[in-house]
Amino acid sequence: AQKITQTQPGMFVQEKEAVTLDCTYDTSDPSYGLFWYKQPSSGEMIFLIYQGSYDQQNATEGRYSLNFQKARKSANLVISASQLGDSAMYFCAMREASGYALNFGKGTSLLVTP
Amino acid sequence: NAGVTQTPKFQVLKTGQSMTLQCAQDMNHNSMYWYRQDPGMGLRLIYYSASEGTTDKGEVPNGYNVSRLNKREFSLRLESAAPSQTSVYFCASRTPENTEAFFGQGTRLTVV
Repeated sequence: AQKITQTQPGMFVQEKEAVTLDCTYDTSDPSYGLFWYKQPSSGEMIFLIYQGSYDQQNATEGRYSLNFQKARKSANLVISASQLGDSAMYFCAMREASGYALNFGKGTSLLVTP
Repeated sequence: NAGVTQTPKFQVLKTGQSMTLQCAQDMNHNSMYWYRQDPGMGLRLIYYSASEGTTDKGEVPNGYNVSRLNKREFSLRLESAAPSQTSVYFCASRTPENTEAFFGQGTRLTVV
């Protein structure tokens, strides 16, 4: 069964606007970590942000924040003040404490327009 | 720090040929991973290694073997390449705190 679901294959946002990329996850493990990665057209995987299941506060890293709703099992990435350089694929991932694997969703392609 | 280094960056193989993808990390991480990325499929785990001397199968291990030579190095071997193994391969290592995984630059492999 798919552990990470990203339902938006593609998204558009205008420069300077905020955008939310959706991610839902499935686990019965009470301890887990959630990750977001950015993959620009050059191909490398860039770590953006991490949220632990026991963290009380939503994670933030600069213009990136993670909207963590534990009861809904969702971990949406919010990018504020979008920039042209934010155009990329974005992947949500989860690691359960009971396992070693980092499981990825299929990604969302974000295009930032002028 | 170099982080995670993968070689080669590009490779073309003929069906039936063998090759080894090399991966090394200089961050003293215990856990290392091999993923493949195909269009529309995200990243799928091939094998992982929780520590030196241990390896385990991931989601798509068929056609691959791995070797955790030491704490730094984790190699992926294709014994008899098939066109279905055309993909981009990523090696990664994870921090002990589990809060971040670092990726190599990727290897674009084409099997003809």
